[in-house]
Amino acid sequence: ELKVEQNPLFLSMQEGKNYTIYCNYSTTSDRLYWYRQDPGKSLESLFVLLSNGAVKQEGRLMASLDTKARLSTLHITAAVHDLSATYFCAVDGGDDKIIFGKGTRLHILP
Amino acid sequence: DAGVTQSPTHLIKTRGQQVTLRCSPKSGHDTVSWYQQALGQGPQFIFQYYEEEERQRGNFPDRFSGHQFPNYSSELNVNALLLGDSALYLCASSTWTGVSNQPQHFGDGTRLSIL
Repeated sequence: ELKVEQNPLFLSMQEGKNYTIYCNYSTTSDRLYWYRQDPGKSLESLFVLLSNGAVKQEGRLMASLDTKARLSTLHITAAVHDLSATYFCAVDGGDDKIIFGKGTRLHILP
Repeated sequence: DAGVTQSPTHLIKTRGQQVTLRCSPKSGHDTVSWYQQALGQGPQFIFQYYEEEERQRGNFPDRFSGHQFPNYSSELNVNALLLGDSALYLCASSTWTGVSNQPQHFGDGTRLSIL
């Protein structure tokens, strides 16, 4: 059974700093998604990573995928307050069954 | 272009009752997935519908059932409600051929509270 683990689960950081969120998964998959969720809101798609070595960047966020290590990272560069949210990684476990991690609650202090 | 729409937005029920939640997919999408998100947790996959049939199912009891209509809209039914069913229920839509290569689009959810 596919398991998806994120760490840290909670992260408080100051504006201007860099940090990385990690997503490990337990079985082979080459399809990984990152979503953002603001309090009381739905999920917003950030990145879709489809192959080993895939790297995608949007603004201050960059996501990468290492299918051999079963690891994805979401890197935040020079954080700003607007990036405060909960970030989820989700993995396609096969047959389109998408399994989510527990999420990383990111709080950026001004 | 309307995105994924869910109704109602909020619902309060008591234990033992039954509830039906509704979802209209984004225009052009034919696949609907349902998720349960408990407070402070990640969404958990309930099931997925395509061509009016349940194609995949997560680890949820038979009290959770669904339906997809010819216009691709979907319903989630939960019978014999338990306190633990209190959660945000999210609907996500996608195109069948692109489920894996494109992200699912999520609705705003239905917040279900069981008293």
